[in-house]
Amino acid sequence: RKEVEQDPGPFNVPEGATVAFNCTYSNSASQSFFWYRQDCRKEPKLLMSVYSSGNEDGRFTAQLNRASQYISLLIRDSKLSDSATYLCVVNLVKTSYDKVIFGPGTSLSVIP
Amino acid sequence: GAVVSQHPSWVICKSGTSVKIECRSLDFQATTMFWYRQFPKQSLMLMATSNEGSKATYEQGVEKDKFLINHASLTLSTLTVTSAHPEDSSFYICSAPRSRLAGGFGTGELFFGEGSRLTVL
Repeated sequence: RKEVEQDPGPFNVPEGATVAFNCTYSNSASQSFFWYRQDCRKEPKLLMSVYSSGNEDGRFTAQLNRASQYISLLIRDSKLSDSATYLCVVNLVKTSYDKVIFGPGTSLSVIP
Repeated sequence: GAVVSQHPSWVICKSGTSVKIECRSLDFQATTMFWYRQFPKQSLMLMATSNEGSKATYEQGVEKDKFLINHASLTLSTLTVTSAHPEDSSFYICSAPRSRLAGGFGTGELFFGEGSRLTVL
């Protein structure tokens, strides 16, 4: 089993749609969780951290279920500019970054 | 603006040559930097952790004699792909962590360089 798994995608949705991405991780000792966005042929950029209580940033909502080892990202009112690959990222050690595991990513295309 | 700068963005070289990629942290010191490799439609895979003033730590399966890492200053790490072959063609990305809050409280954020796309002919 891969350490971090994501919906394979691609997701093709119309503008204005709501889309949800799922991610599961295998190591129950994982400490911190993130969603990164990666545009084609570009570097990943932090979209948002994921907290146990769930958190929201504008149109984006992230949730974490430690018991199920599951992370989600919800995007409401999709924009064309949301088209990218979304990476689920898990860190095994909160104060260190050499145990950061990247998921394979889920590709999103928002269509006019 | 960019927090981590990586150069060159693109490089095409002949098989057997060596290629050096630079990664710089801008306006902050990075005692640790990370080098990743990403093949098309695959995730980032950590190759090695670059430590300022000491040897790099390589992940299992990564040849340290082929991928030379030097972290001579607090703002610069270099990755040299020696005797490059076509199978080394990939997207190489560096990253550096920086604390988001003063005093180091709370987790930092990983900032990535723009990436270097290497094509070995």
